[in-house]
Amino acid sequence: EIVLTQSPATLSLSPGERASLSCRASQPVSGYLAWYQQKPGQAPRLLIFDASKRATGIPARFSGSGSRTDFALTISSVEPEDFAVYYCQQRALWPITFGQGTRLEIK
Amino acid sequence: QVLLVESGGGVAQPGGSLRLSCVPSGFSFRNYGMHWVRQAPGKGLEWLAFIRFDGSKEFYADSVKDRLNISRDNSKNTLYLQMNWLQSEDTAVYYCARDGGTGAFDFWGQGTLVTVSS
Repeated sequence: EIVLTQSPATLSLSPGERASLSCRASQPVSGYLAWYQQKPGQAPRLLIFDASKRATGIPARFSGSGSRTDFALTISSVEPEDFAVYYCQQRALWPITFGQGTRLEIK
Repeated sequence: QVLLVESGGGVAQPGGSLRLSCVPSGFSFRNYGMHWVRQAPGKGLEWLAFIRFDGSKEFYADSVKDRLNISRDNSKNTLYLQMNWLQSEDTAVYYCARDGGTGAFDFWGQGTLVTVSS
């Protein structure tokens, strides 16, 4: 199966700073990568699909990039409501797999 | 609006069985593939199973394929997850999620908690 490795495990930032989250795949996934945000006690929310396409209603400060094995989620200027856990997910090959998550915390 | 509501969770004994249900609204269920995903307490997301829109094909995670069965009844507008031979490691919140057609999960339910304990 394809293993997704996210880094860093925890990212400590202040509101207004730029956040860069990484997701590396153990083999190429083409552009079939998605990103999700999860807040405590809530279900995950789709942010980005197909590596760089924003889901409906997602603010423009969220952007995705990358291809093959290296992907990134960028938050251009972190808002207070963005502090959460972020997961990447691939659907290039069965089984579908998720990364272990990156926690974005307030510095 | 799109809603997914899971039910059927609860406490089960090791070796027991449970059947989870997911009832969608706000979209044409029969046109979408559906997934089950779980999250153990304090842990990350684990994909479990997928079923095509018409029920013609299923895919499973290797770790659960011998114990779980995903199914759907489009006439009843319901998705199911049959879980057998439950183990303590199956304790988790179980989510159903819609496949948006891109392999990404565009809508999620709020989850149902399954606790396996004697």
